[in-house]
Amino acid sequence: TQLLEQSPQFLSIQEGENLTVYCNSSSVFSSLQWYRQEPGEGPVLLVTVVTGGEVKKLKRLTFQFGDARKDSSLHITAAQPGDTGLYLCAGPFKAAGNKLTFGGGTRVLVKP
Amino acid sequence: DAGITQSPRHKVTETGTPVTLRCHQTENHRYMYWYRQDPGHGLRLIHYSYGVKDTDKGEVSDGYSVSRSKTEDFLLTLESATSSQTSVYFCAISVDAAGTEAFFGQGTRLTVV
Repeated sequence: TQLLEQSPQFLSIQEGENLTVYCNSSSVFSSLQWYRQEPGEGPVLLVTVVTGGEVKKLKRLTFQFGDARKDSSLHITAAQPGDTGLYLCAGPFKAAGNKLTFGGGTRVLVKP
Repeated sequence: DAGITQSPRHKVTETGTPVTLRCHQTENHRYMYWYRQDPGHGLRLIHYSYGVKDTDKGEVSDGYSVSRSKTEDFLLTLESATSSQTSVYFCAISVDAAGTEAFFGQGTRLTVV
């Protein structure tokens, strides 16, 4: 069992559709980060959410941090093929000296 | 670009041989990490460093050792490679304190045959 559980593990949608990816934990995090990873590359940071209830927008991507700071979601509006990739959430785990802990990832495929 | 270079990018090695992966950064950041990435497991922390000669274990450290003799270099050694260590290895750095945003290298694909 991972500290950060992501769902779904895989998502395949058509261009123009919306999608939501979830990141859940039973532990409270001081912050959560979202990364996107493309094949053959390292993950790239998209956003960090810090305050419970916080909503951040990055063009068509909307990130939300749960009020209790135990969960987060990523919503993509009108997905495009360029959104295809592996989406990872991560956060500093206090009980482990704030080491950055990652979820298992959600693989998103946007078909043209 | 956080100036992180991993070498080699690809390696095939035989079971039982030692292997060293190198991570080099150009920005003098204090915190450096080694992760491995396997299908269904996301990224798992192997070892990390919070300064020269200061290192600590992550969640999957068995069979791995690290060294950091200079700020810019963080080496990961597989003492005696096993097939279960076939994976993609990523080095990362944090600009500020541990657990803050990480910047990753491009990865090393290691195959142990």
